[in-house]
Amino acid sequence: AQKVTQAQTEISVVEKEDVTLDCVYETRDTTYYLFWYKQPPSGELVFLIRRNSFDEQNEISGRYSWNFQKSTSSFNFTITASQVVDSAVYFCALSVNTGKLIFGQGTTLQVKP
Amino acid sequence: GAVVSQHPSRVICKSGTSVKIECRSLDFQATTMFWYRQFPKQSLMLMATSNEGSKATYEQGVEKDKFLINHASLTLSTLTVTSAHPEDSSFYICSAREWGSFNQPQHFGDGTRLSIL
Repeated sequence: AQKVTQAQTEISVVEKEDVTLDCVYETRDTTYYLFWYKQPPSGELVFLIRRNSFDEQNEISGRYSWNFQKSTSSFNFTITASQVVDSAVYFCALSVNTGKLIFGQGTTLQVKP
Repeated sequence: GAVVSQHPSRVICKSGTSVKIECRSLDFQATTMFWYRQFPKQSLMLMATSNEGSKATYEQGVEKDKFLINHASLTLSTLTVTSAHPEDSSFYICSAREWGSFNQPQHFGDGTRLSIL
């Protein structure tokens, strides 16, 4: 069975702090894809990143970075120098050959000024 | 980037009304579209997968006669909540995926807040 766990329900930080959102996944498939989405208060889901199971290279995009470790089945997301606009719910998701996205429960990030 | 438009963004109507929600991919062809439901402070729950030109595949526990899905073209899918009741009140979100399969990201619409009085 496939499963995504985001153990952190809510995180609160002060602006400019770094914050890491954890994501642990379970699957027996050898080929799979991992995603992160952001859901701001307005409700829409914004695609942030995709990573395939054969590419463990970490990625950095501006203040965002992702650390993928197959050995621990984790795909963590770090925001450096957080800003108030980063406040949102962040979802980690897994896609296997069924084509469906399996979402974690989401982590609500609140960045205070 | 890929844009998905969902309309309407908010609906408030009386119990017993049928409500239609549209999901359009604006700048790409979506062979597959998905419909999700989200309760407050919860994750997204997949309701059904719709492929252009064929019947939708519903997840277990989702009533197909209650939630009618049509995917008549490569850019449009509709969800009709028939004879809606207060328990159907929720946030409904569609997503669309371009060519390819599970390696492609799903692009989401802005969602529809449905409130049944």
